[in-house]
Amino acid sequence: KQEVTQIPAALSVPEGENLVLNCSFTDSAIYNLQWFRQDPGKGLTSLLLIQSSQREQTSGRLNASLDKSSGRSTLYIAASQPGDSATYLCAVGTTSGTYKYIFGTGTRLKVLA
Amino acid sequence: AAGVIQSPRHLIKEKRETATLKCYPIPRHDTVYWYQQGPGQDPQFLISFYEKMQSDKGSIPDRFSAQQFSDYHSELNMSSLELGDSALYFCASRGQDRLYGYTFGSGTRLTVV
Repeated sequence: KQEVTQIPAALSVPEGENLVLNCSFTDSAIYNLQWFRQDPGKGLTSLLLIQSSQREQTSGRLNASLDKSSGRSTLYIAASQPGDSATYLCAVGTTSGTYKYIFGTGTRLKVLA
Repeated sequence: AAGVIQSPRHLIKEKRETATLKCYPIPRHDTVYWYQQGPGQDPQFLISFYEKMQSDKGSIPDRFSAQQFSDYHSELNMSSLELGDSALYFCASRGQDRLYGYTFGSGTRLTVV
């Protein structure tokens, strides 16, 4: 059974820092991996989608990498801003059984001005 | 571009009442997924439909049922509501091309009092 874990659970950094959020999954048989941002009480905003055949994806200050063999993905945020404060969730698209997303436990990020 | 539409956005119900949540997928998307996100929790998969047939089932209580209609919209019916059912309910849709991952709706916040 696929299990997805995110470390750290919470992170508080001063503005301007570069930071790395980690996502680990137990079953490397994945179709893709997607990073989402969620503001308190709000919906899920898609940030980056990485296919299993890809190593990384970039969008603006965000870069996500995928190492399927080791069961890890990282989300790198450059020059963090207070507006980046949110919960970041990774979701793994499984290939075992029917295709569906299994979500990680989330990292709650606070960027201090 | 059209997104996934969920209604209502907010719903308040009393214990033991019934609630119906609706999801309208992106046009030409044939797969719909329902997720439940409790306070401080990651989204948990409930149920999915492909071409109007149930394709997978997760941790969905027996008090809940769902279906996908001929126009591909889906409804989640929840009966005998309990306080613990208070959560954010997300619907996501996906087309046949998995390259584009999931697209989530903004969610329905259900509060049971």
